[in-house]
Amino acid sequence: EVQLLESGGGLVQPGGSLRLSCAASGFAFSSHAMSWVRQAPGKGLEWVSAISGSASSTYYADSVKGRFTISRDNFKNTLYLQMNTLRADDTAVYYCAEDLAGYLPSWGQGTLVSVSS
Amino acid sequence: DIQMTQSPSTLSASVGDRVIITCRASQSIYSWLAWYQQKPGKAPKLLIYKASSLESGVPSRFSGSGSGTEFTLTISSLQPDDFATYYCQQYINYPYTFGQGTNLEIK
Repeated sequence: EVQLLESGGGLVQPGGSLRLSCAASGFAFSSHAMSWVRQAPGKGLEWVSAISGSASSTYYADSVKGRFTISRDNFKNTLYLQMNTLRADDTAVYYCAEDLAGYLPSWGQGTLVSVSS
Repeated sequence: DIQMTQSPSTLSASVGDRVIITCRASQSIYSWLAWYQQKPGKAPKLLIYKASSLESGVPSRFSGSGSGTEFTLTISSLQPDDFATYYCQQYINYPYTFGQGTNLEIK
């Protein structure tokens, strides 16, 4: 059974940084692309970033490009999202998801990031 | 970026009803479309991928159709567990984009 467990969320001031982690189990992690998707309070889903299984390719939404960095450690079966220069509109629940060539069959439970002074 | 537009935004229906949710893409995405169900406080759940392929474990009352720019999600006979928000998502290219969601509520 695929399990994804996010951690690292919390309250941070505008301009601050945070690193999210997503521990994966139950599937061949290094063979699968992974994505981060976020959901602002009361809003819809927004894809944030994706990374290939080998980490050779990364992709970002324009809204986070240059501020967020996706990475992975295939030895630790862990996905990361380094978030810098955080803004109030980055406040959201962040989900990691298994990415099967674009559709997302498995999701974590989410971790809440709040950006506020 | 490809824009995804769902209609309606809110749908009121009763148990046993047949409901249809529509998703339109701003350009052709062939069949690279997924549908998700989300309940309050929970992660989205994949229902349909490649426009019409039913994800394993999803009840057969859910079905998807369409190609190009117009797609539909049909629930053949609503069950109490189906009242939720539904999202479509295109994945022909990055950035992946989602529709704004359809809130399916009890009439």
